Amino acid sequence: DTGVSQDPRHKITKRGQNVTFRCDPISEHNRLYWYRQTLGQGPEFLTYFQNEAQLEKSRLLSDRFSAERPKGSFSTLEIQRTEQGDSAMYLCASSEDRLRGGYTFGSGTRLTVV
Amino acid sequence: AQRVTQPEKLLSVFKGAPVELKCNYSYSGSPELFWYVQYSRQRLQLLLRHISRESIKGFTADLNKGETSFHLKKPFAQEEDSAMYYCALWKLGGTSYGKLTFGQGTILTVHP
Repeated sequence: DTGVSQDPRHKITKRGQNVTFRCDPISEHNRLYWYRQTLGQGPEFLTYFQNEAQLEKSRLLSDRFSAERPKGSFSTLEIQRTEQGDSAMYLCASSEDRLRGGYTFGSGTRLTVV
Repeated sequence: AQRVTQPEKLLSVFKGAPVELKCNYSYSGSPELFWYVQYSRQRLQLLLRHISRESIKGFTADLNKGETSFHLKKPFAQEEDSAMYYCALWKLGGTSYGKLTFGQGTILTVHP
């Protein structure tokens, strides 16, 4: 187990296209989080899974964003009809139940919408 | 609503000097606070948490509920401490789960 993996590392897409990112958490971790980070800002919460259940989704997230964690293992984040404002680093993190706030982060996927 | 404020975007010190990265929070509940660090070209990682009351890489942080602060301190900065530092607040979202809210971060540069 090499930690939290995210794929792809970089994605350049044209405005209006759909994109999907994948996150593979540490296998023993049942909690999985998605965050977004723009230049000069801290990570901003997007959504959270406990096993396969999506327990919280940020109100800032438009309906164009959707996330899944079908078997409680890997997760995907899809953005439909991308806009230039979606350009950001998308971070995935996982943690164990007992480690409140103790996240292990992936390297992130950098999205550029042109 | 919970909020984490890091008032300094940039902080520069010389090697061997003391360093303090400021963090203030607002939260109506009982806070749990963390410091995360991101070194150049590395992923974001946990540095320390207040409930552990530990010292990691010479850094300590004390929760001051009266001042609603959780400043990160190190008595003698090293060049390898140069990094981006984020303060984060754990907020319960329900009975069994929660999430971190991050500050905007402080870039620490330690000059030789």
